[in-house]
Amino acid sequence: NAGVMQNPRHLVRRRGQEARLRCSPMKGHSHVYWYRQLPEEGLKFMVYLQKENIIDESGMPKERFSAEFPKEGPSILRIQQVVRGDSAAYFCASSPLGQGEQFFGPGTRLTVL
Amino acid sequence: QQQVKQSPQSLIVQKGGISIINCAYENTAFDYFPWYQQFPGKGPALLIAIRPDVSEKKEGRFTISFNKSAKQFSLHIMDSQPGDSATYFCAAIGGGADGLTFGKGTHLIIQP
Repeated sequence: NAGVMQNPRHLVRRRGQEARLRCSPMKGHSHVYWYRQLPEEGLKFMVYLQKENIIDESGMPKERFSAEFPKEGPSILRIQQVVRGDSAAYFCASSPLGQGEQFFGPGTRLTVL
Repeated sequence: QQQVKQSPQSLIVQKGGISIINCAYENTAFDYFPWYQQFPGKGPALLIAIRPDVSEKKEGRFTISFNKSAKQFSLHIMDSQPGDSATYFCAAIGGGADGLTFGKGTHLIIQP
C-alpha cells in the first residue's frame, strides 16, 4: 500500500519562474492538505482540498500561490513568479476522512536562486 | 491566534533513559492531538495521537499524557534508543480548523 507520493523531491528555480509541485494521496484518500516548512520551523498549513474543490485556503498567501485537486490526477501546488522567500520544504498530507489523522509525503524541497 | 507551544527546543538523553517533550495549547476547541517524528530530509511520520476524552495513551515505548484542564500534553519515550534521534513535533486540530497547528519541534539526540 503505497504512501503519499510527491514529486519532484527537489526543485530549483530562478526568481520569477514558476514552480509546480505534485502530490498523489494514499489509495482511498480523497482529502489532501499542503503545508510549508521553513528551516528550523514547524509546518504551517496552507490549503485543504477534496476532489475538484478547495475547502480551506486560509493559510495560502493571497498572491502567486494556487492549488488544485482535479478529478483525475495528482493535486498540484503552483507558485508563480517565485521569490527567494519561497525557498522551503513543501509537504502534502492525505486523510481518509478529513478528520484528524493525516499522513505526510516525503516533501518537495524548493530552492529559489 | 491559535498556537501550540512546544518545549524543549532540543533534548539530549542517554540510551535507555526517558525522553519527555511537552506541549501547551490555547484553543479549547482542539480535539485531536498527534505527535509526528521527522528524520532529516524526510516527511513527518505519524507516531501516536490522542483525543481529550482520555488522559493517557500508550503504544509500545511511546506514551502521550494529556491534561485537559491545564491544556497540556506530553510525549514520553521510554527506553530511548539512538534510532529515536529525530525531530518531534506536536500538533493539534479541531474547532472547525482544517489544518494541523504544529509546535516548532524538538531536536532529540539519544547518546549511546
